[in-house]
Parts: sequence; structure tokens; C-alpha cells
Amino acid sequence: DQQVKQNSPSLSVQEGRISILNCDYTNSMFDYFLWYKKYPAEGPTFLISISSIKDKNEDGRFTVFLNKSAKHLSLHIVPSQPGDSAVYFCAASALGGNNDMRFGAGTRLTVKP
Amino acid sequence: DAGVIQSPRHEVTEMGQEVTLRCKPISGHNSLFWYRQTMMRGLELLIYFNNNVPIDDSGMPEDRFSAKMPNASFSTLKIQPSEPRDSAVYFCASGASGAGGAKNIQYFGAGTRLSVL
Repeated sequence: DQQVKQNSPSLSVQEGRISILNCDYTNSMFDYFLWYKKYPAEGPTFLISISSIKDKNEDGRFTVFLNKSAKHLSLHIVPSQPGDSAVYFCAASALGGNNDMRFGAGTRLTVKP
Repeated sequence: DAGVIQSPRHEVTEMGQEVTLRCKPISGHNSLFWYRQTMMRGLELLIYFNNNVPIDDSGMPEDRFSAKMPNASFSTLKIQPSEPRDSAVYFCASGASGAGGAKNIQYFGAGTRLSVL
């Protein structure tokens, strides 16, 4: 049962433009959401997170938006840079839980120079 | 800290052989997770431990898979016997319990790429 879904397996954008990666979840118990970035031959690394008490969290070029009613979150990267090319995983967990996390299948972002 | 350390980085074995993947979590972390990454299913959680105790192994695909955490600094994932469909990248991650969101950030190793011929 895929509790976290990333329906776009890939996304291609031009350098300098905005990249928008989307994620949907089904479990209403999730209250903490994270984005991870993964380069080839490396493990995923934490990028940005948001708790359910917020609807937006910004860190430099990266902003995560959360729409609890729609059970949807998105990651915006602006401006996109070629070094942002990677696979992005959305993840969700329950803060009061046992620290386990459910990941989406990932979206491969390609930023073209 | 060196981060989460996994070994080996690559493993090629023949069907039917036993495979053991190893993980050393970040010192001080009390949660450890094993994931499998495939093209079809992305990152699947196989099993996780809190304070060396297995909490949820519902993601382990079948009895051929087993995981242990004998102490806070070491864990193994074993596949016996291995099959070609087990070919994937296996990640280990660790995390620290604590107040707020920091509790839920996991730190991943570089993974073990397993090929079962």
C-alpha cells in the first residue's frame, strides 16, 4: 500500500526556471513531511521538512508547501540549477510515532543548462 | 562523525547463496532502518529498530530475509537463499529520538548494490 505517492517519475526544466515536484499522501496520521535528494551512487540526503502546523517552509532556493486538506505537498526550487539534477524523494511520518517513515517512489529532476 | 557506513558497496552473488549486508549507524542514534530501492517501487522500508529492538518488520518481503541488531553500533540484513529478484540497492539509515522534528530526520548510508545472478 503506497501511502506516499509521487506520480511524476521525471521532470525536466531549464536552468533558472522553477522546478515544482509534487507528492500526495493518504494516511491522515502523518504530521511531518520531508524531502530527500539523491545523487547516483549515494544515499538520500535530507533537504527540507515541514510539520503539519505550517503550510510553508522556506530554505534558500527551496520551499515546501503543505495542503493538509488535500493531503498534498510540493517542493519548489527557484531558480533551478544544473546541480539540482537528482532524484527527489518525498517522505512522511508521524511525530508521535516510532520514527518510521514512508517514502514515495521518487521524481528524477533534470535541470538543463 | 563518518556518517552511516554500509558494507559492502557492491555484492555480486549466485542464486541460492547467502548474502549478508552490514551497517554501522551514526554514534548516538537509537533508530536504525533498512530500505530497498527498486525502479518499480522506489524506497521500501523493510524493517526498523528502536534501541536495538525490532519494531516493525512488516516490510520484509519473505522469510528469506532477516535482520539483526546485536548492539547499538551494528546491524545486519541477511538474505538466505538469495534470488535474482532480490537484486536492488539496499540502504541503511539511522536517526535520533528527541523533541520535535529532528527526531524524524534519517541519515542514509551510501547503499549496497546487490546483484543476484
